[in-house]
Amino acid sequence: GESVGLHLPTLSVQEGDNSIINCAYSNSASDYFIWYKQESGKGPQFIIDIRSNMDKRQGQRVTVLLNKTVKHLSLQIAATQPGDSAVYFCAESPLSGNTGKLIFGQGTTLQVKP
Amino acid sequence: GAVVSQHPSWVICKSGTSVKIECRSLDFQATTMFWYRQFPKQSLMLMATSNEGSKATYEQGVEKDKFLINHASLTLSTLTVTSAHPEDSSFYICSVGTVSTDTQYFGPGTRLTVL
Repeated sequence: GESVGLHLPTLSVQEGDNSIINCAYSNSASDYFIWYKQESGKGPQFIIDIRSNMDKRQGQRVTVLLNKTVKHLSLQIAATQPGDSAVYFCAESPLSGNTGKLIFGQGTTLQVKP
Repeated sequence: GAVVSQHPSWVICKSGTSVKIECRSLDFQATTMFWYRQFPKQSLMLMATSNEGSKATYEQGVEKDKFLINHASLTLSTLTVTSAHPEDSSFYICSVGTVSTDTQYFGPGTRLTVL
């Protein structure tokens, strides 16, 4: 079936270290993936996205890696800061070229220790 | 990205009453909006896809007569929880989709508490 899941429910890192949040997806037909950050009591905030024709995409302090062979997605945050503490969700879209449904993973809580 | 607002940000109501939540796309015309529900410490669950000028498409298990969706304009979609019960207490979040990409941009959410 279609599902997106995360390997670890909670990740604790030291301030200044790099963080890696992982995500596994099961729908090989998905061609678009997004990472969202959700702070407590707020709506998800777009971080970065990647299409299936790419393996890597970089943003400001964030990098998303896509391994289609093993259906794995990861979000790397460089020099993690206290403000990065939040729940991170990966989402996949099995449709392309139009607004379509997103399937969300279960989320990983990132805790940044000062 | 798109700017999305929701109103109210939180609401408390008595069991049996109806509550309307508004979702507005502030900076572009959204033909498609999505409604999600999120319980504490859980992921987002898509409830329905709201299409401007037509009936909403509900996900399996979501009662369309209980969760009424109206998308009367390109900037406004509303979700009405009818005859609310305590189990309907949740965080309701809307999102808008863009035509050029598959990205969805989310509103700040509405916390519903049914007593």
